[in-house]
Amino acid sequence: GENVEQHPSTLSVQEGDSAVIKCTYSDSASNYFPWYKQELGKRPQLIIDIRSNVGEKKDQRIAVTLNKTAKHFSLHITETQPEDSAVYFCAVGSNYQLIWGAGTKLIIKP
Amino acid sequence: KAGVTQTPRYLIKTRGQQVTLSCSPISGHRSVSWYQQTPGQGLQFLFEYFSETQRNKGNFPGRFSGRQFSNSRSEMNVSTLELGDSALYLCASSPREDPKETQYFGPGTRLLVL
Repeated sequence: GENVEQHPSTLSVQEGDSAVIKCTYSDSASNYFPWYKQELGKRPQLIIDIRSNVGEKKDQRIAVTLNKTAKHFSLHITETQPEDSAVYFCAVGSNYQLIWGAGTKLIIKP
Repeated sequence: KAGVTQTPRYLIKTRGQQVTLSCSPISGHRSVSWYQQTPGQGLQFLFEYFSETQRNKGNFPGRFSGRQFSNSRSEMNVSTLELGDSALYLCASSPREDPKETQYFGPGTRLLVL
């Protein structure tokens, strides 16, 4: 079955700098790649997603890139702000389910 | 529209007991997925229901079961609770027939097994 690895597990960046989180997957048939943000004590929320026929997608300060050949995709956050502090999860969709990465705790240092 | 709701929010049980958790999806959403979230493990997929039919099941033992009613509300049941079942149980509903897209999560039920 599908296997998703997410790195790093913790990422600490200075406010205003960029943050990059990477996920790799194993099943080349997977076709949907969302990113969720979970703030402390809150529910996960979808922040951006990409489909397998697209290489890059941007939404203001966040972007996702997909490399189907290498089977990896990344979340990029530019000009980080304190409210970006959270745990970020990547997921990979195939068939009718999502397989999730273990999460990255993003810490924004003032 | 009201968001996804889950009841109860917190639950304490002892080993060997059983528990039933409830999830009410957003109005009009027919797909409900259930996940187990533990620290450092991300979200583990339990099962997904669409129009009262289980379409997909994760790698959990048979002690974990679920069902969906005609109004799309869903329940999950865990029998013979073990200490390792302590976790946050999340449900998510989707407006699409393909549930992996655009999932809206409930607040979760935090289960503690003593």
